[in-house]
Amino acid sequence: QTVVTQEPSLTVSPGGTVTLTCASSTGAVTTDYYPNWFQQKPGQAPRALIYSTSNKHSWTPARFSGSLLGDKAALTLSGVQPEDEAEYYCLVYHGDTWVFGGGTKLTVL
Amino acid sequence: EVQLVESGGGLVQPGGSLKLSCAASGFTFSGSGIHWVRQASGKGLEWVGHIRDKANNYATAYGASLEGRFTISRDDSKNTAYLQMNSLKTEDTAVYYCIRHSEVIDIWGQGTMVTVSS
Repeated sequence: QTVVTQEPSLTVSPGGTVTLTCASSTGAVTTDYYPNWFQQKPGQAPRALIYSTSNKHSWTPARFSGSLLGDKAALTLSGVQPEDEAEYYCLVYHGDTWVFGGGTKLTVL
Repeated sequence: EVQLVESGGGLVQPGGSLKLSCAASGFTFSGSGIHWVRQASGKGLEWVGHIRDKANNYATAYGASLEGRFTISRDDSKNTAYLQMNSLKTEDTAVYYCIRHSEVIDIWGQGTMVTVSS
């Protein structure tokens, strides 16, 4: 069974930059895995941020960007705001099924 | 407004069954796929499965851990997707979300709570 791994937690200062990554147990994450990124705040449903590696939804703030970094998918937040404190999940496509990463709890401190 | 509304959650005994609904509005439901995702309290997201649209023969796929107990279906005439859950276990206790997948995965419902307990 495919396991998708994210950093359990990261801390960033307001105004700083942080990169979250998403790795697959099956090997390198490529564009064929259509990486998606979601943000979830306490008590709320998740919200889509990035699709197909690097594409933003119309509501995604410009400070969020997606990419491939080495053999992983990556979500970079530049100019972090206090309201970016949340849990972030990646989702990747594996042979007609999809698998979530375990999530990264981002603290803005 | 594009919207998905889940319903049908509740308390069920272990071994029981429950059918969740996901009602769509504000977009062409028949041209979209629907995913189901769940989240146990304090835990991460788990992909349950998805159903594609008519153009893709309503194909379904499921998460490996579900052991064939769950079935996803849809009724395009009612703009609704369903998640039939059988042989429920205590570990199925979670909030269940449905998500739209048209060209991309984008809109989430607010979720419905399922509690499996005696």
